Amino acid sequence: AQTVTQSQPEMSVQEAETVTLSCTYDTSESDYYLFWYKQPPSRQMILVIRQEAYKQQNATENRFSVNFQKAAKSFSLKISDSQLGDAAMYFCAYRSQNTGNQFYFGTGTSLTVIP
Amino acid sequence: KAGVTQTPRYLIKTRGQQVTLSCSPISGHRSVSWYQQTPGQGLQFLFEYFSETQRNKGNFPGRFSGRQFSNSRSEMNVSTLELGDSALYLCASALRPGQANTGELFFGEGSRLTVL
Repeated sequence: AQTVTQSQPEMSVQEAETVTLSCTYDTSESDYYLFWYKQPPSRQMILVIRQEAYKQQNATENRFSVNFQKAAKSFSLKISDSQLGDAAMYFCAYRSQNTGNQFYFGTGTSLTVIP
Repeated sequence: KAGVTQTPRYLIKTRGQQVTLSCSPISGHRSVSWYQQTPGQGLQFLFEYFSETQRNKGNFPGRFSGRQFSNSRSEMNVSTLELGDSALYLCASALRPGQANTGELFFGEGSRLTVL
């Protein structure tokens, strides 16, 4: 089975600074999808950014970008110009191309933004 | 457009009891999946339903079951509750199973189950 590892249970960043959250995964598949989800204290999970494994170009969504290293099976999230509203639990997730809506999630990284 | 609605939001049960959780997906969404979230374990996939049929099942014991109704609303049931079942149970909906490749899973706020 696929596994997703987030080795940083907690991270903190000063407001307006940049922070990088790490994620590694294990799979024998060549085609898959990777995601970062954000879970604010209200607990509703929302999608931050997605990456298709067949695309070499790293995905970017405004202040959020990823560093996708397929050979190393690494998928880190960079948050630039951090804002107080970025404080949340962040989950890295993997989805095979063929498993419907079955995602494999990491254990999460709790991000604190310091004013 | 209303989001994914889960009820109840909080509940407390004792060991050996059973519990039923409900999830109403976004209107028009026909795929519903369930996840168990615990500290240190992240989210674990329970099962997915589409058009009243279970399409995928995670690695959970048979005490965990679910179903989906013709209006796409879904319920999950846990029988003979154990202390380890204490968790946040999240429901997510999507238009169809294949839509997940865009990441467009819409999550509810969850049902917090405490087993004493």
